[in-house]
Amino acid sequence: DTAVSQTSKYLVTQMGNDKSIKCEQNLGHDTMYWYKQDSKKFLKIMFSYNNKELIINETVPNRFSPKSPDKAHLNLHINSLELGDSAVYFCASSQGGGGRGKYEQYFGPGTRLTVT
Amino acid sequence: DAKTTQPTSMDCAEGRAANLPCNHSTISGNEYVYWYRQIHSQGPQYIIHGLKNNETNEMASLIITEDRKSSTLILPHATLRDTAVYYCIVRPMNTGFQKLVFGTGTRLLVSP
Repeated sequence: DTAVSQTSKYLVTQMGNDKSIKCEQNLGHDTMYWYKQDSKKFLKIMFSYNNKELIINETVPNRFSPKSPDKAHLNLHINSLELGDSAVYFCASSQGGGGRGKYEQYFGPGTRLTVT
Repeated sequence: DAKTTQPTSMDCAEGRAANLPCNHSTISGNEYVYWYRQIHSQGPQYIIHGLKNNETNEMASLIITEDRKSSTLILPHATLRDTAVYYCIVRPMNTGFQKLVFGTGTRLLVSP
């Protein structure tokens, strides 16, 4: 009964290719996120969707395009991959909607993307 | 979001209590203190959070000083599986989908 799952644990691809990472959560949450953890282990948010609407969009190259077909899914598509895109990408979800602000985030296992 | 300061690394013997400090001297009145950890090759995991009172759950205890400028995460009986990077994060209380801003955390090594 995995809570937050991602399509692949590892992805290896060449520069210039396009790749997608899919994320699904079965927690009934209405908010989902994508984080990137680089080689120095810094973990930084990229995007967030609430009820299929983009609410957080950090300074990310427009080669990265998130898509949320429904509340339970948030996919990340990356065009024209570059060496610097090599990282671990984590999906997360929470029950948002304002209010008390106590909504912890649940993370997926991560997808290690290697661009050669 | 308020910045936090944590020691880079700490050691703890298995079975002993691990006390992980965090300084958040610029925290504002509407910000919670959250703790997450990341075990090697896994996604971050929520541990506990608090506003001003001490909190305890099945994983840990959180002690927040009266002036709220610092806190301590306590793992009462550390096990080898508690070896991880522990992140102290502060964030406003008025929204559920505020981003988490991770610092460098404390690398806790629990040894036999």
